[in-house]
This record gives sequence, C-alpha cells and structure tokens, in this order.
Amino acid sequence: AQTVTQSQPEMSVQEAETVTLSCTYDTSESDYYLFWYKQPPSRQMILVIRQEAYKQQNATENRFSVNFQKAAKSFSLKISDSQLGDAAMYFCAYRRGHDMRFGAGTRLTVKP
Amino acid sequence: DADVTQTPRNRITKTGKRIMLECSQTKGHDRMYWYRQDPGLGLRLIYYSFDVKDINKGEISDGYSVSRQAQAKFSLSLESAIPNQTALYFCATSDAMGGPTDTQYFGPGTRLTVL
Repeated sequence: AQTVTQSQPEMSVQEAETVTLSCTYDTSESDYYLFWYKQPPSRQMILVIRQEAYKQQNATENRFSVNFQKAAKSFSLKISDSQLGDAAMYFCAYRRGHDMRFGAGTRLTVKP
Repeated sequence: DADVTQTPRNRITKTGKRIMLECSQTKGHDRMYWYRQDPGLGLRLIYYSFDVKDINKGEISDGYSVSRQAQAKFSLSLESAIPNQTALYFCATSDAMGGPTDTQYFGPGTRLTVL
C-alpha cells in the first residue's frame, strides 16, 4: 500500500519569510497525483496545490510552489512571503485512482 | 453557499446508538467519499461511491455503512457507535478519476464524539 510521510510534526516561520514543508511517499506506480491541503482552525480542508506525476515542471500557485522529485519520491511545499493567514495544518496527499492517502500533517505556526 | 455541506457539524452520542452523518453537494460530481481524521493519522478513507449504484469499501470500513440516495447525497451510518469512532469525519467529492481535474473537494467536517 502506498504511504505518505510528513516528517515534521510542527514548523514555524517568521512572517514574510520562506518555509519548506517536507513530504515523501512510497509507491510502485508511475502515474499518480500529489496534493497539498491546508486545514485552518475552521477544520475546512482547502486545496493548496496539485502536481501530476507525469509532469516534470513543478507546480506553482502564487506564493506556493512545490519541489517534486519523482525518483526520490519527494514532494515538498515552499511557502514564500509567509502570512499570518498561512498558519494551519498542512497535509500532503497521494492519489492514484480512488486510492487517496494522506500524511499525518505538519502544523505551521507563523510568528508576527 | 458551500458546494459540499455536512450535517450535523458536531454530534455527541452514546455507545450503542445508531447515528447518521449526511453529506450533500451542489458541484454535480459523480464521485463521493467519506473519510475520518484522527490526530496524528491524517485522513483515512471509509467508503467511496462512483455513482448511485456503485459503492465501495475503503481502507477502514468496518463498523460503518453508507447510502447513496442520489447523485448529490451520500450518508454515512454508524449502526452501533463505539468510543473509538470518535473522530472528525469529512465528506468529499470529485468529478473525475485520473483526469486533468482529478481533485477532491471537502465538506466542512463533522466532529463526532461517542461517550
């Protein structure tokens, strides 16, 4: 079974600085999708960014970008110019077909 | 209005009680999912449905059942609730599997406590 590992239970960043959240996954498949979701205190799961495994180019969404290393099975999230509203739990997820697996999450604190 | 809604948002029940969590969506998606979230474990898939006539077990289906009443409605039932089913439950929808829009959209979650 595919597993997703987030090795950083907690991270903190100074407002306006950059932070990188790590994610690794285990799969024998070559075609799949990877996601980062944000969960603020409201509990809502919000899609931050997605990456198709067949694409070599790293996905970007405004201040959010990923470093996708397919051979290393690594999918890190970089948040630039961190804002107070970025404080939340961040979940990395892997999906192939109906099978979607989530990591345990990283709690990000943003210091003013 | 929210695209994916869940009712109730919070529920406290007792061991042995039957409880139903409901999910409705206005996104027009065929695929719907139920997950539970436990601290330190992320989200785990309970059941999923590709359409009204297609329901499948996920990673942790024991102790749960589901009903897909219509394309827009997908309910999760706990026939006899037990304390280790205390968790945050999420419903999600998606419009394709493996396609360019293969993204799941989540409801706001239901916090269930079983005493």
